[in-house]
Amino acid sequence: EVQLVESGGGLVEPGGSLSLSCAASGFTFSNAWMNWVRQAPGKGLEWVGHIATETDGGTTDYAAPVKGRFTISRDDSKNTLYLQMNSLKTDDTAIYYCTATTAPPQWGQGTLVTVSS
Amino acid sequence: DIVMTQSPDSLAVSLGERATISCKSSQSLLHSSSNRNYLVWYQKKPGQPPKVLFYWASTRESGVPDRFSGSGSGTDFTLTISSLQAEDVAVYYCQQYYTTGTFGQGTKVEIK
Repeated sequence: EVQLVESGGGLVEPGGSLSLSCAASGFTFSNAWMNWVRQAPGKGLEWVGHIATETDGGTTDYAAPVKGRFTISRDDSKNTLYLQMNSLKTDDTAIYYCTATTAPPQWGQGTLVTVSS
Repeated sequence: DIVMTQSPDSLAVSLGERATISCKSSQSLLHSSSNRNYLVWYQKKPGQPPKVLFYWASTRESGVPDRFSGSGSGTDFTLTISSLQAEDVAVYYCQQYYTTGTFGQGTKVEIK
């Protein structure tokens, strides 16, 4: 059974940092491009960024609102995806989902990040 | 980047009637080497993660009722619910994964 389990969410003040993790199991993690997607309260789904497989260069790409502030990384030896979030803004408040670009795509249950003073 | 546009933004349909959602991309999602369209349809209910309905535009995910169908190619895609049931009330999203992973803005489906 495929599982993606996010952790690390919580309350952080504006300007602060937070790191999310996503533990993957049930599929060959190293063969999958991985993504972070978020949904702010009352808003639609928003792609945050992705990381390619090491075979495809391990490159990353980000949505404009988070570029320069967020960093995605992966550790294939631990089957884990990471999202380092810096200079957080109140607009970053959302549920953050880890997803795998597999066939079919796979999603975690999400972790809530609240940016508030 | 690729822009995904869904229409309508919301839709009210009587139980048992057809619901049709359109999704248009600003460039083709058809990958020439695989001849597959890199488009996913999701159903999103409050408090739950999105549920995959179709990937590669028209490949039904296991367990999805056959009243749901996904069609289209290139830049124009359609999600159809042939006979709306109460449990289909949700927001539906399309997503391209040809380049990044941009989503349409969502279509809210309600009961008339």
